[in-house]
Amino acid sequence: GAGVSQSPSNKVTEKGKDVELRCDPISGHTALYWYRQRLGQGLEFLIYFQGNSAPDKSGLPSDRFSAERTGESVSTLTIQRTQQEDSAVYLCASSRSGGAVQTQYFGPGTRLLVL
Amino acid sequence: EDQVTQSPEALRLQEGESSSLNCSYTVSGLRGLFWYRQDPGKGPEFLFTLYSAGEEKEKERLKATLTKKESFLHITAPKPEDSATYLCAVQAGFGGAQKLVFGQGTRLTINP
Repeated sequence: GAGVSQSPSNKVTEKGKDVELRCDPISGHTALYWYRQRLGQGLEFLIYFQGNSAPDKSGLPSDRFSAERTGESVSTLTIQRTQQEDSAVYLCASSRSGGAVQTQYFGPGTRLLVL
Repeated sequence: EDQVTQSPEALRLQEGESSSLNCSYTVSGLRGLFWYRQDPGKGPEFLFTLYSAGEEKEKERLKATLTKKESFLHITAPKPEDSATYLCAVQAGFGGAQKLVFGQGTRLTINP
């Protein structure tokens, strides 16, 4: 079946502009995660959604970052007033549920470059 | 704070030369340890989940093992197509924490 999809694949923006990244999880997966991968570094957790529960926003680096998810479908990650240090690959993952230990399946990522 | 350290950062092997990658972790209450493979320009691809010390899992030329402090990814008689970055991650803690904490990865190159 279809995996996690993300769009756009690549995004180049100017410092100070807002960007919106999109994630479509695997059908039937109720849990959705966003991670950031800076060049040469490990993945950093940003935010986690599970069903209608309040999201875990503990990894968001600043109030310029926000994310939304409607029900158990698409999620968008918004970065306002982008800075050069926001340049990274933004990865989305989904899992069957948020309970117990669930395998997270990742999308291909959005490569963001802030000039 | 949960920490994951992978070594070496990079490893070059000849085709057929077996070796091991290390993942050391310090966590409060391990719930699961994951291995992923990441090819350049792509998202991580799931390989294994290990839940408790002593557990082992195998897939083709790869074998993952787990102790109370570390995990090893053993690669037997590797082929050039095994070249990739291998990521280790842990899910830890209680109260429903679901995030994965990742190491920085080991970049593996297999020369033909």
